[in-house]
Amino acid sequence: QTVVTQEPSFSVSPGGTITLTCGLSSGSVSPNYYPSWYQQTPGQAPRTLIYSTNTRSSGVPDRFSGSILGSKAALTITGAQADDECEYYCVLYIGSGIWVFGGGTKLTVL
Amino acid sequence: EVQLVESGGGLVKPGGSLRLSCAASGFSFSYHTMNWVRQAPGKGLEWVSSISTGSHYIYYADSVKGRFTISRDNAKNSLYLQMTSLSAEDTAVYYCARYGDADPFDIWGQGTMVTVSS
Repeated sequence: QTVVTQEPSFSVSPGGTITLTCGLSSGSVSPNYYPSWYQQTPGQAPRTLIYSTNTRSSGVPDRFSGSILGSKAALTITGAQADDECEYYCVLYIGSGIWVFGGGTKLTVL
Repeated sequence: EVQLVESGGGLVKPGGSLRLSCAASGFSFSYHTMNWVRQAPGKGLEWVSSISTGSHYIYYADSVKGRFTISRDNAKNSLYLQMTSLSAEDTAVYYCARYGDADPFDIWGQGTMVTVSS
């Protein structure tokens, strides 16, 4: 069974830069997994930040960027703001029509 | 306005069945693959199922295969999820989500809550 791994939690200072990662229980993430990143605030539906590794969704500030770092997909947030404090999810396409979400990273800005 | 509105959630007993609906508006529904994604209380997102534009390609997560059936009616701009043999582990908010041009989940509904409890 494929498991997509994310850091359970992370903290960043206001104005700071942070990189969240998205890995596989076995193997390396590549663009062929079409990594996407979603932001979710409590009680709300998720919204897309990044898809296809590094394409920013419409209206998403350029403070958010996606990449492959080593063996993982990565979401980098620069100039962190208070309202960036929420949950971040990555999702990978593992083939045969199957998508797997990571467990999410709870980001704290303090 | 592009919109997805889920309905059909509620309280159901273990072993029971429920049918969720998702009404789409503001876009050409028949041109898009559609998904169901769920989120158990306090937990993360879980992809459940996808259906292609013409219903030729249908996929399920292992956790629901054989119990859930996804379908769509392009004439009614609607997506469905028939759920059977429900257990407590199926308790979650169920979202329908559109597959965009390259974003697999570009538009989300507000979700509908399914609670499986005796």
